[in-house]
Amino acid sequence: DVKVTQSSRYLVKRTGEKVFLECVQDMDHENMFWYRQDPGLGLRLIYFSYDVKMKEKGDIPEGYSVSREKKERFSLILESASTNQTSMYLCASSRGLILSEQFFGPGTRLTVL
Amino acid sequence: QKEVEQNSGPLSVPEGAIASLNCTYSDRGSQSFFWYRQYSGKSPELIMFIYSNGDKEDGRFTAQLNKASQYVSLLIRDSQPSDSATYLCAASSGTYKYIFGTGTRLKVLA
Repeated sequence: DVKVTQSSRYLVKRTGEKVFLECVQDMDHENMFWYRQDPGLGLRLIYFSYDVKMKEKGDIPEGYSVSREKKERFSLILESASTNQTSMYLCASSRGLILSEQFFGPGTRLTVL
Repeated sequence: QKEVEQNSGPLSVPEGAIASLNCTYSDRGSQSFFWYRQYSGKSPELIMFIYSNGDKEDGRFTAQLNKASQYVSLLIRDSQPSDSATYLCAASSGTYKYIFGTGTRLKVLA
C-alpha cells in the first residue's frame, strides 16, 4: 500500500521562527512535491524535486527552501515564518512525469501567530 | 498563464442521481488529466485519470475528455452521501507541472 507521511498534522509557530516540515514516501518515487492549499486559491506548487539533491522552484517559492538528501525524504523549510504562511501544506510524490498520478500525504495545517 | 477552471459550486444532487462535474483547461499541450476527491480537512486522493479522447469508466465513475474543446468531465452515477466532497481537476503537460483547478464542492442530499 502506497504511503506518503508528513511529520505533523497540526503545527503552531510564532512569527520569525524557522519551521521544518518533513515528508517521507515509501514507494521509491523519483519525484516529490510541496504544495500549499488555501481557500479559493487551490493547490499551488512551492517546490519540486526530481532526484536526490535536485530541486526546482514552483509558482510560489519565496520564503521557502527545501532539502532532499535521501530519495524518500523531502523537507520544506520556512526560514522565518510569517502570518501569511498560515496554510495547509501538502506533500506529494510520483514515479514518473508522464501519465503519472501524484500521491498525497495527509497534510500539515500550519498556523503562524 | 496556464489554467484549469472549475465551477466552485456547491453542486447539489439528490441521492441516486448522476452528478456531473466539469473542468476546462487552457494549455493545449496538456496530455493527461486527473480527478481527485478531497474530503474536508483531508488530502486529495485520486479517483481517475484519462489521457485519450472519449470516455473512461471505473465503477460508478466515468471520466470524459474532449481535447478539441479542452474540456474534461467526471460523472458519478448513483450518487451517495459519502460522495459529498470537493473534486479537483488537474492537468499535466508531461512535465513536473500539474495545474490544479480550485475544485467543485459536491453535496449529495439524502
